Amino acid sequence: EAAVTQSPRNKVTVTGGNVTLSCRQTNSHNYMYWYRQDTGHGLRLIHYSYGAGNLQIGDVPDGYKATRTTQEDFFLLLELASPSQTSLYFCASSERDSAETLYFGSGTRLTVL
Amino acid sequence: GDSVTQTEGLVTLTKGLPVMLNCTYQTTYSPFLFWYVQHLNEAPKLLLKSSTDNKRTEHQGFYATLHKSSSSFHLQKSSVQLSDSALYFCALSDLGYKLTFGTGTSLLVDP
Repeated sequence: EAAVTQSPRNKVTVTGGNVTLSCRQTNSHNYMYWYRQDTGHGLRLIHYSYGAGNLQIGDVPDGYKATRTTQEDFFLLLELASPSQTSLYFCASSERDSAETLYFGSGTRLTVL
Repeated sequence: GDSVTQTEGLVTLTKGLPVMLNCTYQTTYSPFLFWYVQHLNEAPKLLLKSSTDNKRTEHQGFYATLHKSSSSFHLQKSSVQLSDSALYFCALSDLGYKLTFGTGTSLLVDP
């Protein structure tokens, strides 16, 4: 079974705060993704990467940066957090592209006060 | 751009009854559709994915048929169980990086 681990599970910060969400996959997958999940919107793609050092912009990238430091590790950075970024964040990986199965982590619930 | 529409936000059923969750899509590409299921406080996971046009795919008692003529990929089960209570997402792949999700349908099964 493919494994994707996210940390932290929960995070509370204040407006203007600096937050880093971490994701590690041990599947040797090339693609990694960051999604946010909000009621009424489903899952929306923030950023994705198809290899170490690569970064691509998703559908809702404003206010987010990401970095893929290794094949295994993908980080999501919120440098000036805002209440609109309060959400449930999922990291996922896939072997090749979106036509392959996505394996999701357990999620990080972020609250921005 | 690509889009996926799930018309029902919440479906409530009694155990043992059949269910159909609607999914329609719009794309300019040859479609590749998925159903993902998310149980409470868990991560989404793949339930099933489409095959060729008009061919049914099945997994864990659930089934769906891709119909290009009507741009649909509805999820069905003949007899729902309590354990089927979950959030169900339909998703469309552009065969590249992008997976476009619908807004999700919550299925609640009563005893």
